[in-house]
Amino acid sequence: DAKTTQPPSMDCAEGRAANLPCNHSTISGNEYVYWYRQIHSQGPQYIIHGLKNNETNEMASLIITEDRKSSTLILPHATLRDTAVYYCIVRLTNTGNQFYFGTGTSLTVIP
Amino acid sequence: KAGVTQTPRYLIKTRGQQVTLSCSPISGHRSVSWYQQTPGQGLQFLFEYFSETQRNKGNFPGRFSGRQFSNSRSEMNVSTLELGDSALYLCASSLETGGYEQYFGPGTRLTVT
Repeated sequence: DAKTTQPPSMDCAEGRAANLPCNHSTISGNEYVYWYRQIHSQGPQYIIHGLKNNETNEMASLIITEDRKSSTLILPHATLRDTAVYYCIVRLTNTGNQFYFGTGTSLTVIP
Repeated sequence: KAGVTQTPRYLIKTRGQQVTLSCSPISGHRSVSWYQQTPGQGLQFLFEYFSETQRNKGNFPGRFSGRQFSNSRSEMNVSTLELGDSALYLCASSLETGGYEQYFGPGTRLTVT
């Protein structure tokens, strides 16, 4: 599975959009981009995933660049409850369900 | 639909003992994966079970083992506990194997003294 690079920490004002970047320059054509988040001491929570097209669900939007070498997770209106560590994961879909979590981005939403 | 449940939530064991942790997946989910989370190593994949068979295994010693029952419930066992095994052990379930999103339980906090 390709490696990902994320900034270690970010701040975002409450009510503003939080844009979390992820670089995955070695991604291959059949690898998906997944995002999870982990609120302190809880199990990780699935957010969204995509292959090449932008995706949106009730939690967030995922923007993948045309060359697929990077992506951005967007939380449109960040709340204090969005303070968490966000993990960007790139993985094949036919190799079982093991996810390799990196160090993630610690997002702090500031009141 | 109930989420993933893990028991016990907290556990204290002594070095050299063994421990068994339990995971009940979301109803209808057939794949169960286990992860270890420590401050130093982060989240690391242990193994995945699907249809009572181990599908994938991470880079952990043989002291770590698991199994899955016909109702998809899973257990993991750690024998001859070491101080370094102190961690949050997380279980995740998914509908099938091979690229489906995983839903994590709250974890079991194991402390080895």
